[in-house]
Amino acid sequence: DSGVTQTPKHLITATGQRVTLRCSPRSGDLSVYWYQQSLDQGLQFLIQYYNGEERAKGNILERFSAQQFPDLHSELNLSSLELGDSALYFCASGPGQGARDTQYFGPGTRLTVL
Amino acid sequence: DAKTTQPTSMDCAEGRAANLPCNHSTISGNEYVYWYRQIHSQGPQYIIHGLKNNETNEMASLIITEDRKSSTLILPHATLRDTAVYYCIVINAGNMLTFGGGTRLMVKP
Repeated sequence: DSGVTQTPKHLITATGQRVTLRCSPRSGDLSVYWYQQSLDQGLQFLIQYYNGEERAKGNILERFSAQQFPDLHSELNLSSLELGDSALYFCASGPGQGARDTQYFGPGTRLTVL
Repeated sequence: DAKTTQPTSMDCAEGRAANLPCNHSTISGNEYVYWYRQIHSQGPQYIIHGLKNNETNEMASLIITEDRKSSTLILPHATLRDTAVYYCIVINAGNMLTFGGGTRLMVKP
C-alpha cells in the first residue's frame, strides 16, 4: 500500500460527459502527479501540482483540467469525453517538486467511455 | 532526458537472479537512473535509483557501468510476484518521469 488513495476505482460513462477523478496524496507529500495509461500510448504524464500550484504540464488535453486543494488532495476533471479517453488514470505523490523525488502511485481509476 | 533502450521481454526461473539491462548511451552527467515496476494494471512502484555508484536496497541492486552508458537492475532471488513490467528511466532534476515501453519480466516456476 503506497498511501495514495484514488476514487472511484472504476467509472463507466458515455461520450460527451464529464467526470471527476479524485486523489489523496501520502501524508506529508506536497506534490501530486497525474498520469494516463492507455493500451496504445503507454504511461503518459499529464500534469503536476505542488502545494496548490501547477508545477509542470505534460501531454494533457485542453478538455482535461486539474487542481490541488488546500488540504492537498487533487482532482482531475475530464470533459467532453471521447471513446479514446478510456484508460487507467493514476495519480502519484511525492515530497518535493522535482521528478527526482520518489513518486508513490495510487491504485488508479479505470475509466471506460461508451 | 536521455533516451533508454530495454529488451521488450525476459524470462527468469523462480529463485534465480533476474538481470534486467538498460542502455542509456546519451546520459549526461547530472542525470540519474531510476527503476520503477508495474505489476499488472497496478500503479507503478519505485524500486531503486542511482547516479554513478552501484546501489542496493531491500528490493534490488543497481549496477551502473563506469561510463554510465548502461545499467543493470538485479533482483537477486526472483519470485512469481516479481512478474511485472520494469521501467528504466533517466532523469535530471527538473523533468518529469517519462515511461518508455519497459521490459516485461516473466518469472516462471
